[in-house]
Amino acid sequence: DADVTQTPRNRITKTGKRIMLECSQTKGHDRMYWYRQDPGLGLQLIYYSFDVKDINKGEISDGYSVSRQAQAKFSLSLESAIPNQTALYFCATSDGDRDSSYTFGSGTRLTVV
Amino acid sequence: QKEVEQNSGPLSVPEGAIASLNCTYSDRGSQSFFWYRQYSGKSPELIMFIYSNGDKEDGRFTAQLNKASQYVSLLIRDSQPSDSATYLCAYRPGANSKLTFGKGITLSVRP
Repeated sequence: DADVTQTPRNRITKTGKRIMLECSQTKGHDRMYWYRQDPGLGLQLIYYSFDVKDINKGEISDGYSVSRQAQAKFSLSLESAIPNQTALYFCATSDGDRDSSYTFGSGTRLTVV
Repeated sequence: QKEVEQNSGPLSVPEGAIASLNCTYSDRGSQSFFWYRQYSGKSPELIMFIYSNGDKEDGRFTAQLNKASQYVSLLIRDSQPSDSATYLCAYRPGANSKLTFGKGITLSVRP
């Protein structure tokens, strides 16, 4: 099994619908992150959490919300999906060491029509 | 604002050549630096990290860090078509910080 699992892998939804993307990890990391990636724009941080009780907004949090249900689970919700939220979404985890890299999930390709 | 810049691409090299990917960063206090490779539609995967000035080698990959000049480079020797991907550099501004990513540079290795 993958260390960081994202579900679903692909999703097509309609404008205005609420949708949740889920992320779970077996790395035992305290820190979890949600990114979106659009062609040519790199990774944009949506939200991050350094532990279960710590939730922080990233660069582009408008229109998104998150829930950290447990150390291993971090969900991203789109309250009312719009077409410009069509993107590739990645969850990542890390611990707090200086040299700790991020482990990424396989991504969720979301299309809002 | 802490930023990281990657030299403009795309970069195209012939098979067997050395590919040089460069990244500059704004925060002099940065602690550690990372290079990720990302194939189209896939997630980024770590190639290597470096935190001391100088070179760090891992197989065909060499990371070079110069903190005084605030740049970090990735050299890929004997480039292969399978190295064709987008390469992201990232740095950690402080010991307890999250990573800051560059936008990436796309490398194409011509057979």
